[in-house]
Amino acid sequence: QSALTQPASVSGSPGQSITISCTGTASDIGNYNHVSWYQCHPDKAPKLMIFDVDHRPSGVPDRFSGSKSGNTASLIISGLQAEDEADYYCSSITTSKIYVFGSGTKVSVL
Amino acid sequence: EVQLVESGGGLVQPGGSLRLSCAASGFNFITLWMCWVRQVPGKGLEWVANIKEDGSEKYYVDSVKGRFTISRDNTKNLVYLQMNSLRVEDTGVYYCARQRPGYFDFWGRGTLVTVSS
Repeated sequence: QSALTQPASVSGSPGQSITISCTGTASDIGNYNHVSWYQCHPDKAPKLMIFDVDHRPSGVPDRFSGSKSGNTASLIISGLQAEDEADYYCSSITTSKIYVFGSGTKVSVL
Repeated sequence: EVQLVESGGGLVQPGGSLRLSCAASGFNFITLWMCWVRQVPGKGLEWVANIKEDGSEKYYVDSVKGRFTISRDNTKNLVYLQMNSLRVEDTGVYYCARQRPGYFDFWGRGTLVTVSS
């Protein structure tokens, strides 16, 4: 099972909006609405930001949103803030009942 | 408060074994799947294995099948990852995570496994 494909890096200025794409196949993203996104800061536990494509857990700011079209999911960060600088990973369940993560995207706030 | 605390990491030679533990608290452990996810230094996250609430179903990523075994003790709220025939490429931080249908909603801070001669 190959990793889902994400851009290596995305950057934006404070207040801007950025979009991180996550491309899979018909065996994972294209077959389920179980796409999730995680924020990773160094030396901290990963944090769930979006689940089931576009659902936000309690406590996650509403500037984070998600969407999906076909085999590609997206994480949108609106009104980018300095604390959003981190690595972001998408994930999906697969038809083999295992999970796969994306290759990861480093978000930089300029 | 939900807590997941991993332990058992360390330095081991190629071909060696380690057993990781994850102590869970603050939630009804026996009602949820649990999993292990790892992060190789400088690289991304990789899902490793998961286990059903009662331990009757387990799934593994291909690269660890036959070498790693996930298990749980619902009387002690513990999840284990027995890692045998370790390889250099198994080096990384191993996270324990609580699994909901389709996603992982709470993670521990991880334990470092280093496989090196």
